[in-house]
Formats: sequence, C-alpha cells, structure tokens
Amino acid sequence: DVQMTQSPSSLSASVGDRVTITCRASQSISNYLNWYQQKPGQAPKLLIYAASSFASVVPSRFSGSGSGTDFTLSISSLQPEDIATYYCQQTYNTPRTTFGQGTKLEIK
Amino acid sequence: EVQLVESGGGVVRPGGSLRLSCAASGFTFDDYGISWFRQPPGKGLEWISTIYLNGGRTSYADSVKGRFTISRDNGKNSLYLQMNSLRADDTALYYCAREFWFRQLFPASDIWGQGTMVTVSS
Repeated sequence: DVQMTQSPSSLSASVGDRVTITCRASQSISNYLNWYQQKPGQAPKLLIYAASSFASVVPSRFSGSGSGTDFTLSISSLQPEDIATYYCQQTYNTPRTTFGQGTKLEIK
Repeated sequence: EVQLVESGGGVVRPGGSLRLSCAASGFTFDDYGISWFRQPPGKGLEWISTIYLNGGRTSYADSVKGRFTISRDNGKNSLYLQMNSLRADDTALYYCAREFWFRQLFPASDIWGQGTMVTVSS
C-alpha cells in the first residue's frame, strides 16, 4: 500500500498567519491526492481533490499544490473557523486508499 | 438534502458480531459506489471497504478481509457492513461515505455520514 506521511503532526498559529501542511507519498501518485478537514465532533469534509481543485464552496484562502510524491495544503490567512485536523488521502490505487496521520491545527 | 445516516453501532464482546447500516437520501443511490471508513478514538482515518454500483464488485482492507462483509440494497437505498469475529482493535467510529468521480477521473469521498460508534470490550 502507498504510505502517506504528513507534517507537522500539530501546528499552532495566530489568526492571519499563513499556514502550510505537507504530505508525502511513499511512491509517485501523480495528482491523485485529496485533502479533508475534520472539525472536532464532526465527520470529515472534502476540501480539495486532484491535489489542487476545490470540491465545493471552499474559502479562497485555501489552496493545494503538488504532484508525484510531494503535496501541500496552504491557508493564506488563518481564521478561527479553520481550527480542525486536516488529512491528505491518496486515491492512486483506489479503492485501496490511504490517509496521512493528520495535522491538528490550533490557534496560538 | 443529500445525506447518509449510519446506525447499528454498540458495545460487543470480543469474537462477537455486529451489523452496521447506512441509509442514503437525496441522491440516486445506485449511481454511486459507497465506502466504509473508521476512526479509532483520538486517531486517524482508515479505509476498510468499498462496494460498487450494483454490488458486483467489492474491496476490503487487509485488516478486515475475511471478517467483514459489505453489501447494499439499492431498492432500500441502504448500505450494510456485517462485522464478525470482532477484536478490541476494531473499536472505532464507523463512517459511510459516497464515492464521487470528479471529472470522471479523480475519486473522492464527497458525502459522509456522522458515524456510528463500535466498542469491542469484554
């Protein structure tokens, strides 16, 4: 199976900061990479598919990039409502999909 | 409203069985593959099984293969997960999710239920 490694595991930042989360695949997955946001007590919500495309109405401060093995999720100006755990997911060998371990984002 | 609602979770002893259900509404159920995921308390997400349109094709994670069975009843807009030989490490919140193929190329789970908790404990 393709292993996904996210960094950092947790991140504390101030409102208005630029935040970047990285995700690395154990082999090339082209751009078969999704990002999910999971707020406390809620189900995951799809933010980005195909590494950089928005799945639905997602604030423009979010962006995704990358291809091959290295990917990033960025928030240009952190807002209080962005507090959540973020997961990357590879779908290169769907349905045997795998997730990163998650990045917990907190407000400083 | 497009919605998935899981049910059937509970407390079960090691070695026991449980059947989870996932009721779909607001979309044409038999147009989509549906997956089960799970999340142990305080931990990350794990894919465990997917069933495609008419149920003819299924896939399982190695951690549940041979113990869990996924099925669907398109007439009832429902998905099921029969879980046998349960172990302590199966304790988790179980989610069902719709599989959507963006641009017919890029799969993702675009609709999730709220989950049902399964606790395996003696």
